[in-house]
Amino acid sequence: DTAVSQTPKYLVTQMGNDKSIKCEQNLGHDTMYWYKQDSKKFLKIMFSYNNKELIINETVPNRFSPKSPDKAHLNLHINSLELGDSAVYFCASSPPARGVNEQFFGPGTRLTVL
Amino acid sequence: AQTVTQSQPEMSVQEAETVTLSCTYDTSESNYYLFWYKQPPSRQMILVIRQEAYKQQNATENRFSVNFQKAAKSFSLKISDSQLGDTAMYFCAFMKHEGPRGKLSFGAGTTVTVRA
Repeated sequence: DTAVSQTPKYLVTQMGNDKSIKCEQNLGHDTMYWYKQDSKKFLKIMFSYNNKELIINETVPNRFSPKSPDKAHLNLHINSLELGDSAVYFCASSPPARGVNEQFFGPGTRLTVL
Repeated sequence: AQTVTQSQPEMSVQEAETVTLSCTYDTSESNYYLFWYKQPPSRQMILVIRQEAYKQQNATENRFSVNFQKAAKSFSLKISDSQLGDTAMYFCAFMKHEGPRGKLSFGAGTTVTVRA
């Protein structure tokens, strides 16, 4: 009965490769997010989608491209991977706003670029 | 941009004791939301407690409570009767908007270690 799931949980790849991380939520939420947690554990928003529409696009290199085929899925594709892309990437989702808008996080994907 | 500051990188507490984590933030908004998230070694992000800025009453969730001082822009977390399972990194977070524009801005985190 996983709420927000991500695949894979671990990803090790070489510099220059292209990779994707998938996220799915079964909570019926409308909004999904990608956050990046760097090696110092600092968490920062990357993107958000609402009903397949891009809402937030923080200053992220255009090598990162989110794709939302439907409102239950938000995938993150990364082209030409660099060493600095090594991080933990978290997907999150939230329901339509009714009061406080809690975000539910997935388990994270640890990406290591060699 | 909103800034969230957690001035204590690490804290250690004896089991059953109380520990207080500090958080300050900077905003010109009058309405917003504040959160504390816990990240144990499993790395899962878990919501601990939340507070709406328009509510004067401090939020409480079992052993976790906050001291929200809106004028001082302070939002501290108190963990009472600390348990070994409370060992984790704790992040204070700020959200300006509801709905799809509601992005979380996080502090740098405080690592809490509960000693047996």
